[in-house]
Amino acid sequence: EVQLLESGGGLVQSGGSLRLSCVASGFTFNNYGMNWVRQAPGKGLEWVTGINRNGGNIYYADSVKGRFTFSRDNSKNILSLQMNSLRVEDTAVYYCAKDRANYPAIDSWGQGTLVAVSS
Amino acid sequence: DIQMTQSPSSLSASVGDRVTITCRASQGIRNSLAWYQQKPGKAPKLLLYDASRLESGVPSRFSGSGSGTDYTLIISGLQPEDFATYYCQQYYGFPRTFGQGTKVEI
Repeated sequence: EVQLLESGGGLVQSGGSLRLSCVASGFTFNNYGMNWVRQAPGKGLEWVTGINRNGGNIYYADSVKGRFTFSRDNSKNILSLQMNSLRVEDTAVYYCAKDRANYPAIDSWGQGTLVAVSS
Repeated sequence: DIQMTQSPSSLSASVGDRVTITCRASQGIRNSLAWYQQKPGKAPKLLLYDASRLESGVPSRFSGSGSGTDYTLIISGLQPEDFATYYCQQYYGFPRTFGQGTKVEI
């Protein structure tokens, strides 16, 4: 069974930093692209960033480009999202999410971790 | 960036109804489209990918169609557990954008 367990969320002031982690299990981690997707309170889904199997290709939404850094450690089955220069509008539940094989829709999601940025 | 426009933003329906949700991409996405269902307080769930392929375990009352820029999710015979918010997402290019969602209410 695929499991994705996020951690690291919390309350931070505007301009601050936070590091999210996601521990993956139940599948061959280095065979799949991975993502972070966020959802602001009462709002829709926003894709934040994605990384390919070996970490060689990383993509970001324009809203976080230059502030967030996504990385993976295939030896430990861990994803990390370093979030700097946080803004109030970054407040959201952040989901760790796994690509489906062959068709990169998202077929597995973590339970989410809440990031709250105060002014 | 590819923009995804979903309609309607909400709809009211009854058990047994046929429900249609549409998603339009700002450029052709070659069927690189997924549909998700999300219930309050829960992570989304993948329903369909490649525009029309049903994810394992998803009931066959869910179907998808479309091509080019225009795609449709159909729920044939709405069930009580189907009341939720539905999102489309393109994975043709980065960033992988979502539609704004369609809330299906009783």
